[in-house]
Amino acid sequence: EVQLVESGGGLVQPGGSLRLSCAASGFTFSSYTMTWVRQAPGKGLEWVSSITGSGGNTYYADSVKGRFTITRDNSKNTLFLQMNSLRAEDTALYYCARYIMGSTIDFWGQGTLVTVSS
Amino acid sequence: DIVMTQSPDSLAVSLGERVTINCKSSQSVLYSSNNKNYLAWYQQRPGQPPNLLIYLASTRESGVPDRFSGSGSGTDFTLTISSLQAEDVAVYYCQQYYGTPWTFGQGTKVEIK
Repeated sequence: EVQLVESGGGLVQPGGSLRLSCAASGFTFSSYTMTWVRQAPGKGLEWVSSITGSGGNTYYADSVKGRFTITRDNSKNTLFLQMNSLRAEDTALYYCARYIMGSTIDFWGQGTLVTVSS
Repeated sequence: DIVMTQSPDSLAVSLGERVTINCKSSQSVLYSSNNKNYLAWYQQRPGQPPNLLIYLASTRESGVPDRFSGSGSGTDFTLTISSLQAEDVAVYYCQQYYGTPWTFGQGTKVEIK
């Protein structure tokens, strides 16, 4: 059974940092591009970042470029999102998700909530 | 960036009736090299993560009931629920994955009349 379990969210002050983690199981993690998508409270979905299976290629939304870094540890089946210089507008539920070539994002975790507030 | 615009923003339909949701992209999401549209539909029930319904515009994900169907090509797409069931109450999103940044429509909320 495919499972994606996010952690690391919480309350942080503007300008602060957080590191999100996503523990994957039930599939060959290193074979899949992984993605972070966020959803502000009561709002729609926003793609944040993706990383290829080997970790060799990364992609970012303009809204987070230069502040967020996506990485992965294939030996531990874990995806990360390092978030620096956080802003109020980064407040959202952050979902970890799996992307399948030829399909699209086919599986999502339950999300971890990030709140940026003083 | 490719802008995805859904219509309507919300609708209320009686149980058993047909639901049609439209999605328009600001540029084509059809890859000419393979003639495939990189367009997906998701269902998000309250308090739940999104659930993939349709990919490549018209391919139903495994396990998705056949009352859900997708159609369209290029810039205009439609999600149809042939006979609305109570468990279909949700927000529906279209998404293009033709190129980064992947973008989503604003969502269409479906309720029971």
